[in-house]
Amino acid sequence: DSGVTQTPKHLITATGQRVTLRCSPRSGDLSVYWYQQSLDQGLQFLIQYYNGEERAKGNILERFSAQQFPDLHSELNLSSLELGDSALYFCASSVDQTGTAIYGYTFGSGTRLTVV
Amino acid sequence: GDSVTQMEGPVTLSEEAFLTINCTYTATGYPSLFWYVQYPGEGLQLLLKATKADDKGSNKGFEATYRKETTSFHLEKGSVQVSDSAVYFCANFGNEKLTFGTGTRLTIIP
Repeated sequence: DSGVTQTPKHLITATGQRVTLRCSPRSGDLSVYWYQQSLDQGLQFLIQYYNGEERAKGNILERFSAQQFPDLHSELNLSSLELGDSALYFCASSVDQTGTAIYGYTFGSGTRLTVV
Repeated sequence: GDSVTQMEGPVTLSEEAFLTINCTYTATGYPSLFWYVQYPGEGLQLLLKATKADDKGSNKGFEATYRKETTSFHLEKGSVQVSDSAVYFCANFGNEKLTFGTGTRLTIIP
């Protein structure tokens, strides 16, 4: 157990629908990162939050949004889902920028999203 | 910007063979370097790290040395096992973020 908790583990939904993925970071970690992993695109960085504020954005579609709450858990919202959104979505956390340089990120086990 | 280029896979080896997975990086300054491993159906796990030039990271028989002169951080293991079959990601931490390579799928056959 890495200490980063992601729910649900599996999600099957229809095109056009909206889903919410949840992540609880490791205790003491202030930063949360979201990644999408698909067979053809590899590991794509989506977005980072630090202590409740958006810190960096990667290849995140406008249909996707995220937030980090005061208790530091984060949610990734995916809307108007398309077949191509089927992927593994990972959350990772880190303590702070200095800590990240030494310890890297801690990853959760992911949410597998299947859009049918 | 910062980037990581790693050896494309897939790589297939026989058990007890010697493993090298190449990784080179571009960065301003001297980033910390990492290797992560992803076993089937799981998230990424930190395998080893090095935070400054000439440092050697090691774990579970794997090693990688931070080479500033060649901007490389190649992953090596002297004798691989079937249980080492996984996807390996090289990463560097620079400009306040961790940048990953594309991953190398390793398959070990008995």
